[in-house]
Amino acid sequence: GENVEQHPSTLSVQEGDSAVIKCTYSDSASNYFPWYKQELGKRPQLIIDIRSNVGEKKDQRIAVTLNKTAKHFSLHITETQPEDSAVYFCAASIQYSSASKIIFGSGTRLSIRP
Amino acid sequence: DVKVTQSSRYLVKRTGEKVFLECVQDMDHENMFWYRQDPGLGLRLIYFSYDVKMKEKGDIPEGYSVSREKKERFSLILESASTNQTSMYLCASSFNFEQYFGPGTRLTVT
Repeated sequence: GENVEQHPSTLSVQEGDSAVIKCTYSDSASNYFPWYKQELGKRPQLIIDIRSNVGEKKDQRIAVTLNKTAKHFSLHITETQPEDSAVYFCAASIQYSSASKIIFGSGTRLSIRP
Repeated sequence: DVKVTQSSRYLVKRTGEKVFLECVQDMDHENMFWYRQDPGLGLRLIYFSYDVKMKEKGDIPEGYSVSREKKERFSLILESASTNQTSMYLCASSFNFEQYFGPGTRLTVT
């Protein structure tokens, strides 16, 4: 079945610097790649996503890139701020019978140092 | 605004008890999911449902069952709770691939 690997598991960056989180997936049929952010004590929320027909997508300080050939995708956060501290999950979606299911990576705990 | 609610935020049960976790969504979504979240393991899919009375196994269905009698409600059942089922359980519904999560139930089995 589909497997999603995420690295690093923890990441600490200086406020204002950039942060990069990388994921790889195993099933070449995956065609949708979302990123979720989970703040402490809160539920995960979608922050950005990318579909397989696009190589890059940006939304203000966050961007996601996708390399379908290599089966990896990355989240880039620029000019990091304290409110970026959270656990980030990548995911890959695969169509399964009448529904699609999403397989999540193991998460990256991002800490922003003041 | 999508609202997904779960019946309890915290639950403590004894080994061997039957446990019901309920999830309700108010957006008429067809797809609903149950995950468990453990440190370092991310969100692992237990079961999902794409229609009333329909269910599919996820990656870790052992020890769990589900019920979807109404579109808005998806229940997770632990037939005989064990200590290794102590975890955070997250329900979600989805539309157009985006997952909307509930607040989670932290279950402790003693």
